Formats: sequence, structure tokens, C-alpha cells
Amino acid sequence: ETGVTQSPTHLIKTRGQQVTLRCSSQSGHNTVSWYQQALGQGPQFIFQYYREEENGRGNFPPRFSGLQFPNYSSELNVNALELDDSALYLCASSFGTAGTGELFFGEGSRLTVL
Amino acid sequence: AQSVAQPEDQVNVAEGNPLTVKCTYSVSGNPYLFWYVQYPNRGLQFLLKYITGDNLVKGSYGFEAEFNKSQTSFHLKKPSALVSDSALYFCAVRDGLTGGGNKLTFGTGTQLKVEL
Repeated sequence: ETGVTQSPTHLIKTRGQQVTLRCSSQSGHNTVSWYQQALGQGPQFIFQYYREEENGRGNFPPRFSGLQFPNYSSELNVNALELDDSALYLCASSFGTAGTGELFFGEGSRLTVL
Repeated sequence: AQSVAQPEDQVNVAEGNPLTVKCTYSVSGNPYLFWYVQYPNRGLQFLLKYITGDNLVKGSYGFEAEFNKSQTSFHLKKPSALVSDSALYFCAVRDGLTGGGNKLTFGTGTQLKVEL
């Protein structure tokens, strides 16, 4: 068990709505990264949070935003949902931002946009 | 820009036989390379990594991988496959030269099927 927990596990939204996904990082980890995994694809980096600030972003529009809280947990918010946002959203925690350590992934939140 | 290629969508192997899952990469600086495994409806689990040092790295569950700088490859191997190894395997790379913390670029994955 990795210790990274995500909620909800599944959710269905309609186009145009907003969604918030939550992630609790593994104990001792201070960095959270979010990835989007579309069906049949590898995960794509959305952004990373370190010390409650965004610290690195992938090729995703501003309607994808996030937060990190003092206890290192994190939220991913997506506004104005589009059909293509349907995917598995993975949260990963780690210690630091050097990028040399492995990421510990949660089991993901599967979002379906109708 | 960094990229990863996993040329095989699926690899089939008989239990007890050696297995290889291929990965090639492209980065600007020195590569940080990773292998992750994903079981159905689960998140990714770390298998092994290459950061620096010995080109042959050993990881979890008997897996190993060889870093080949001239061929820009990082193939995953196991001497004797088990049915329980059947899963989706992802290779990932991070450019060690630039910043970006934990921004990994993943390949599209290779489905490994081990049969009795």
C-alpha cells in the first residue's frame, strides 16, 4: 500500500460543470504531482505543488488549477469540463523536487464527462 | 523536449521464459529513467530507476533494466517470467539538466501477457 489516497474514486459530470479531486500524500512527503491518464495512454503531467505553490506545469490550460494545503494534501480543480477531460486522474507524492526519487501514486479518480 | 517510445503495444511470453520490454528515450541533458507497472484499475507502482552509476539496475520483483546511452535505451528485463507479472508497463524519463521537479514523460505503455 502506497499511502497516497484519492477521492472520489469515480465520478460523472456533464460538459461545462466543475470538478474537484482530492489527494492525501504519503506520510513524510511534501510534494504532490497530478497526472492525467486518458484511456489507452500513458500518464501526462498536469502540474506539481511544493510548499503550497505550483512548481512546474505541463501543457494544460488554465482551467486546470490546484491547491496544496499545509498538511501537504492537494486538490485538483477543473473548470468548464469538456468531453476530452474524461480520464483517470492520478496523484503522486514524493519528497522534494529533485526528481531523482520515485513517485508514489494513488489509485486515481476516474472522471467521466458526458 | 523529452520523449519516450515503447515500440510494442503488447508482449507475450511463456511462464519461465525471459522477458524484455523495450524503451527508448530522448532528452536534452542526462536522463533520469524509470519503470512503473500498472495493474487493472490501479495506480502506478515503481519498479526501478536509473539516475547515475552502474548501467544495470535491479528493482522490485526480480526486474532489472539496462541503461544504454549510445542507443538511448532503457529496456526492462526479467530472467524468468511469472503469470503474475502480467500487467501494463510504463517507461518514463525526466531531463536531469533542466528543472521541473517531478515532471515525468511517460511512454504509451506495453501490455505484458505471461501465459502458462
